[in-house]
Amino acid sequence: AQSVAQPEDQVNVAEGNPLTVKCTYSVSGNPYLFWYVQYPNRGLQFLLKYITGDNLVKGSYGFEAEFNKSQTSFHLKKPSALVSDSALYFCAVRDIGATTDSWGKLQFGAGTQVVVTP
Amino acid sequence: EAQVTQNPRYLITVTGKKLTVTCSQNMNHEYMSWYRQDPGLGLRQIYYSMNVEVTDKGDVPEGYKVSRKEKRNFPLILESPSPNQTSLYFCASSPLAGELETQYFGPGTRLLVL
Repeated sequence: AQSVAQPEDQVNVAEGNPLTVKCTYSVSGNPYLFWYVQYPNRGLQFLLKYITGDNLVKGSYGFEAEFNKSQTSFHLKKPSALVSDSALYFCAVRDIGATTDSWGKLQFGAGTQVVVTP
Repeated sequence: EAQVTQNPRYLITVTGKKLTVTCSQNMNHEYMSWYRQDPGLGLRQIYYSMNVEVTDKGDVPEGYKVSRKEKRNFPLILESPSPNQTSLYFCASSPLAGELETQYFGPGTRLLVL
């Protein structure tokens, strides 16, 4: 079974500073990893995904994430945060294992609230 | 416009009164899914459907039913709602499951069960 952890409930950062949101995962097969963002009173929006290939994945709005297989991590990063980046961020994993039993399941983390102050 | 729609957006009901939340997508997606979002718990998958007439349980299926009789619709049914089903519900769809695709989320349905 797959699982995902976001160890920080909230991340505070000043505008212009680097932003990192942490995510670790556990799967029995190969992971498909995703980051989503949720603005107040809105649905989730896709930011980026890792399927295979380059460990550094670039996504929307200047975000990127680094896949680290040995540490089972997929941290989200942005070099220079904006006040408009303040939102709730979710990491998610899909376990593409030896069987197709879990292919349809997507496991989300609890979410990390990002607060960017001017 | 490609989108996932949910109805109603807001619903207040009482314990035991059957209700249905509809979900529809206009993108001819094969895969559809229902999630509930609760503070501190993130999104938890209720049910998903890989294609028409194919549905499977997610992590929290108890108290819910779904059906997928046609590709575009994936209604969520609460036969006898209880207060612990008060939550924010999201429907999502993607072209295919198990492949290199992302999910498109609906706007959410906020449900209060008294």
